[in-house]
Amino acid sequence: AQSVTQLDSQVPVFEEAPVELRCNYSSSVSVYLFWYVQYPNQGLQLLLKYLSGSTLVKGINGFEAEFNKSQTSFHLRKPSVHISDTAEYFCAAHPGGTSYGKLTFGQGTILTVHP
Amino acid sequence: DGGITQSPKYLFRKEGQNVTLSCEQNLNHDAMYWYRQDPGQGLRLIYYSQIVNDFQKGDIAEGYSVSREKKESFPLTVTSAQKNPTAFYLCASSIGSRGPQETQYFGPGTRLLVL
Repeated sequence: AQSVTQLDSQVPVFEEAPVELRCNYSSSVSVYLFWYVQYPNQGLQLLLKYLSGSTLVKGINGFEAEFNKSQTSFHLRKPSVHISDTAEYFCAAHPGGTSYGKLTFGQGTILTVHP
Repeated sequence: DGGITQSPKYLFRKEGQNVTLSCEQNLNHDAMYWYRQDPGQGLRLIYYSQIVNDFQKGDIAEGYSVSREKKESFPLTVTSAQKNPTAFYLCASSIGSRGPQETQYFGPGTRLLVL
C-alpha cells in the first residue's frame, strides 16, 4: 500500500525567510503527487501536483516542489514566506492504475510564519 | 459561484445516536469523497463514489454509511457503531473522468463532537 511521510510536524519560520516542507512517499512504478494547503477550520486547497514530465513543479502563491524519484521525495519550497502562509500543509500520493480516487495523505506539517 | 457546501459547520452527537452530515456540490462533478481528519493523522478516506447510485468503501468505513441518489449530493451518516466519531469531516469532489491524477476539490468541513 502507498504511504506518505511528512518529516516535520511543525515548522516555525520568520517572515521573508525561505522554507522547505519535506515529504517522502513509498516507491511505486507510477505515482502522482500533490501538495494541499489548509487554513484554520477550512477545507483543503490544491497548491500543486506532479503528474509526469518536468521534475520541478510550480504552484500557486509562489510555492514550488521538486520530484526526486531516486530519493522518493517531493519537497515543497518557497523562497520568501509571508504571514498569510501560516497554515497546515499536506502531501498526498496516488499510485496510479485502477485505485481510482484513493489518495493517501501524509500527517500534515503546520507552518507558522512569525513577524 | 461553483463549489462544495457542507452543513452543519458544527454537529453534536449524543451517545447511541446516528447523525447525518450533508455535502452538496454544484460543480457537475461525477466523483465525490468523504474524509475524516484527526490531529496529527492527516486525512483518511471513509467512502467514495464515482457515479450516482454507486459507492465504495475507503480505508475506515466501519461505523459509517453513505448514499448517492443524486449527482450533487453525497450525505454521510455516522452511526452509533462508530465509537470514536469526534473529528473534522471533509467532503470532496472531482470531475471523475480523467483518472486518478485529477484534482479533488474540498468543502469547508463539519466538526463533529460527542456530548
